Amino acid sequence: EDQVTQSPEALRLQEGESSSLNCSYTVSGLRGLFWYRQDPGKGPEFLFTLYSAGEEKEKERLKATLTKKESFLHITAPKPEDSATYLCAVGDLSSGSARQLTFGSGTQLTVLP
Amino acid sequence: SQTIHQWPATLVQPVGSPLSLECTVEGTSNPNLYWYRQAAGRGLQLLFYSVGIGQISSEVPQNLSASRPQDRQFILSSKKLLLSDSGFYLCAWVGQGKETQYFGPGTRLLVL
Repeated sequence: EDQVTQSPEALRLQEGESSSLNCSYTVSGLRGLFWYRQDPGKGPEFLFTLYSAGEEKEKERLKATLTKKESFLHITAPKPEDSATYLCAVGDLSSGSARQLTFGSGTQLTVLP
Repeated sequence: SQTIHQWPATLVQPVGSPLSLECTVEGTSNPNLYWYRQAAGRGLQLLFYSVGIGQISSEVPQNLSASRPQDRQFILSSKKLLLSDSGFYLCAWVGQGKETQYFGPGTRLLVL
């Protein structure tokens, strides 16, 4: 059974204080690892897809990295508008055409001005 | 470009009443479609998915059902709502041959 564990559950940062969010996963065959951002009362917004260990992707102040066991979402010099819940999910090759995802419980990030 | 719609945005229903939530996708053909429920402060629980018209797979036993009457339309239903059905319901789609799921704005359901 696929499992995704995100840590920490909540993180409070001062504006400009860089940090990382962790996503540990177990999957029989990785189809892809996905990062989403979710604002309160809204649907998750897609950020990144990573497919293989060593892959990195960046978008503004966010950088996602992937190893065989975990992924990190690095936030450099965050701003208050980066405050949100960040969700990690994995897709398993065994899901075939269904392409289901298994989600973690998320990290709630608060960036204080 | 592709767009996903969900309605209603918010719904308050009494226990025992029926439910119908609708999701439609624009700008793509033959997508996979998904229904999730998100409890407060928790991750997403997959309820149903569909790989084509009339094809529905259920992930968890419950009093909810799903239907896909058209290629880009996905409906979540219940004949009699329970208090435990309260939550945030999200619809998602993934394009043919693609991997990334994209989510709709969600429906907040409160059962009283």
